[in-house]
Amino acid sequence: EPEVTQTPSHQVTQMGQEVILRCVPISNHLYFYWYRQILGQKVEFLVSFYNNEISEKSEIFDDQFSVERPDGSNFTLKIRSTKLEDSAMYFCASGRDRMNTEAFFGQGTRLTVV
Amino acid sequence: AQSVTQPDIHITVSEGASLELRCNYSYGATPYLFWYVQSPGQGLQLLLKYFSGDTLVQGIKGFEAEFKRSQSSFNLRKPSVHWSDAAEYFCAVGKGNAGNMLTFGGGTRLMVKP
Repeated sequence: EPEVTQTPSHQVTQMGQEVILRCVPISNHLYFYWYRQILGQKVEFLVSFYNNEISEKSEIFDDQFSVERPDGSNFTLKIRSTKLEDSAMYFCASGRDRMNTEAFFGQGTRLTVV
Repeated sequence: AQSVTQPDIHITVSEGASLELRCNYSYGATPYLFWYVQSPGQGLQLLLKYFSGDTLVQGIKGFEAEFKRSQSSFNLRKPSVHWSDAAEYFCAVGKGNAGNMLTFGGGTRLMVKP
């Protein structure tokens, strides 16, 4: 069964460092998403991406964040200068289209900023 | 703005007992509603979804949910809980014009007693 794959499963980084989280969405999906879940809090939407551009983003997704689909398979989330409060589980998701279908989530990357 | 409330943070039930997890949403139009389950260290797995039509929806693992517009609710039920159902359950609502961009509730942690 096709699945969304995220790497690494756990990343530890020093405050101020850049980090790139990687995702391989399901191959025939066209819509891609990043969510995050700070420990003990709700899962929060960050950004959606379609046709090589951001289609929507939340208030959380500030200038420190960027997304990219560098090739036909990967979808990345970059945090330019990590802060302690960026520590969270980051989920990638993909969907076949925007309407009437669900998003499939990856297993997540746990980011720890020290 | 849309919102989702899961009033019960923790629920403990005995194996074999019935289960109902509550979910209330706030949304100005017909919502797209989802229930996801997250086992420890795992990603989010879709249990079921409601887009339109029959208000009682069946999902995987024997779960069902009923959409009640008058009560703005989408409660999850299972007639007989198994120990493997112990996990965290998230209700989510999607925007009507972008069904995959989800607003999540805070989650309900289910514990199952032998």
